[in-house]
Amino acid sequence: SQTIHQWPATLVQPVGSPLSLECTVEGTSNPNLYWYRQAAGRGLQLLFYSVGIGQISSEVPQNLSASRPQDRQFILSSKKLLLSDSGFYLCAWSRVLSNTEAFFGQGTRLTVV
Amino acid sequence: GENVEQHPSTLSVQEGDSAVIKCTYSDSASNYFPWYKQELGKGPQLIIDIRSNVGEKKDQRIAVTLNKTAKHFSLHITETQPEDSAVYFCAASNGNTPLVFGKGTRLSVIA
Repeated sequence: SQTIHQWPATLVQPVGSPLSLECTVEGTSNPNLYWYRQAAGRGLQLLFYSVGIGQISSEVPQNLSASRPQDRQFILSSKKLLLSDSGFYLCAWSRVLSNTEAFFGQGTRLTVV
Repeated sequence: GENVEQHPSTLSVQEGDSAVIKCTYSDSASNYFPWYKQELGKGPQLIIDIRSNVGEKKDQRIAVTLNKTAKHFSLHITETQPEDSAVYFCAASNGNTPLVFGKGTRLSVIA
């Protein structure tokens, strides 16, 4: 069976510090991978998605970047965090890009202070 | 691109009553419409989905209806229970891009 791991579960970081959130998927190959951010009243906002190693599509220009160094690894990064980067970050995967179920990780609660 | 609107943003019902959440979409090419349930502190999980070739789908107390002409779809939960309390998201997909989600509905079932 397939599983998705996302860590850490919670993170408190000062403004201006770097960020690295990691997500890995087990039990499948060549998954489509996604990073979403969930802020109060704004639902699930798609930040980045990837259809293969090294391939990143950005949906919203901002202070964040994503990388996919391995087939089942997806990393969300920032060089300098802003207060507005606070939120609940969710990693997800699917077998194909659309028209199919997306499986979500448990999320990371990021608080920038 | 696709835009999904979801209403209401919050919904309170008495235990045993029904709950209805409605979504509209803008892209007439969309053909896949899932619903997700998110419990506190967890990631969303799929509870039911519908494709554009059917108008209604049921799974025990949960049903989804789709009106392609009006471009809207709805989630119906009957005989609500306290464990139904959660945030529900609708989404749409046109077959070429990732799922686009609504802003969510916080459902509270009052015992």
